[in-house]
Amino acid sequence: DAKTTQPPSMDCAEGRAANLPCNHSTISGNEYVYWYRQIHSQGPQYIIHGLKNNETNEMASLIITEDRKSSTLILPHATLRDTAVYYCIVRVANTGTASKLTFGTGTRLQVTL
Amino acid sequence: SAVISQKPSRDICQRGTSLTIQCQVDSQVTMMFWYRQQPGQSLTLIATANQGSEATYESGFVIDKFPISRPNLTFSTLTVSNMSPEDSSIYLCSVEEMVGQTQYFGPGTRLLVL
Repeated sequence: DAKTTQPPSMDCAEGRAANLPCNHSTISGNEYVYWYRQIHSQGPQYIIHGLKNNETNEMASLIITEDRKSSTLILPHATLRDTAVYYCIVRVANTGTASKLTFGTGTRLQVTL
Repeated sequence: SAVISQKPSRDICQRGTSLTIQCQVDSQVTMMFWYRQQPGQSLTLIATANQGSEATYESGFVIDKFPISRPNLTFSTLTVSNMSPEDSSIYLCSVEEMVGQTQYFGPGTRLLVL
């Protein structure tokens, strides 16, 4: 699986959009971009994933560049409860074959008043 | 998504003892996994729990230390054997309903070994 690079930490004011970048320059054509977050040692929570098109759900939006070498997770209106470590992971998916999740060090997002 | 529970949620154990952690899912799933998260670190995959056969272990993890059972499609156990303080970690179970689909995680078991 391709490796990802994320900034170690970011701050965001409550109510503002949090934009979390991820670089995955070696991503393969059949690899999806997945985002998880982990709030203070709880189990990781799935947020969103995508292949090439931008995706949006009730939690966040995922913007993937046209060359797929980078992506941005957007939390449109961050709250204090969004303070967590955010992991960007690339993996092969939906092929019927097993593909591991390899967690890097993630981005620690601190939302402040 | 599947609802995943783990027991115990936390425990404090003495070195040299063993602890068995249970993972229960509210629906049948194809894949079940066990991860370890050491203090201040990211998650590391221990093994894939295979139903009806031996688990598939990642490099650095062995069956004698981390025996795993998976008797059916909704349940798995991980045993941490002959514990030492270095085994103090959060142990997490995760599942995929179908192979290669989104993986969901349980709440974790926080283990402290004295």
